[in-house]
Amino acid sequence: TVVTQEPSLTVSPGGTVTLTCASSTGAVTSGYYPNWFQQKPGQAPRALIYNTSNKHSWTPARFSGSLLGGKAALTLSGVQPEDEAEYYCLLYYGGAVVFGGGTKLTVL
Amino acid sequence: EVQLLESGGGLVQPGGSLRLSCAASGLTFSSHAMSWVRQAPTKGLEWVSAISTGGDRTYYADSVKGRFTISRDNSRNTLYLQVDGLRADDTAVYYCASGILKYYYVMDVWGQGTTVTVSS
Repeated sequence: TVVTQEPSLTVSPGGTVTLTCASSTGAVTSGYYPNWFQQKPGQAPRALIYNTSNKHSWTPARFSGSLLGGKAALTLSGVQPEDEAEYYCLLYYGGAVVFGGGTKLTVL
Repeated sequence: EVQLLESGGGLVQPGGSLRLSCAASGLTFSSHAMSWVRQAPTKGLEWVSAISTGGDRTYYADSVKGRFTISRDNSRNTLYLQVDGLRADDTAVYYCASGILKYYYVMDVWGQGTTVTVSS
């Protein structure tokens, strides 16, 4: 099983960007319990979104999760310079957990 | 504040063993499923293993099945990962992560990681 994310994306400050997460097994549904994580260099990952669209108490409002075209999606609206980071999705396969390869988001 | 603190990493020869620990505080440890996730140098995240709240159910990635053993001691608020038969490709930072209650696949809080280096 392979979970695929865009290797890299670039967005301007204040802009909007959508990252996606696809499964080699077919369309991603809520039953895969998609999670999204942010990781900055030298730091541990930080959880952002769980169960497709639920935010943790510390998740900034500009981050949102959804299902889009058979994929899980993470949308950042009003991007800030500090959002530059690697973003990982996670999908649950009824026992096993698989992370996507990560998307390096550059804010430029 | 929930905190997870990993320890036990180090330099080990191929074929060697280590026991990694994750000490938890600020949460009712026995109510949370737990996971181990690793990250090889310059690579992405890889889920390694998970354990249920009571420790009676365990789950493993195919890459570590038969070599790694996850366990927990709820009286000590500590998660463990026994890693045996280490190979060079096990070199990574190993993170523990708490699940939201019994759902190990919903990871909320992560530790800072402990580094395992497998080399002769």
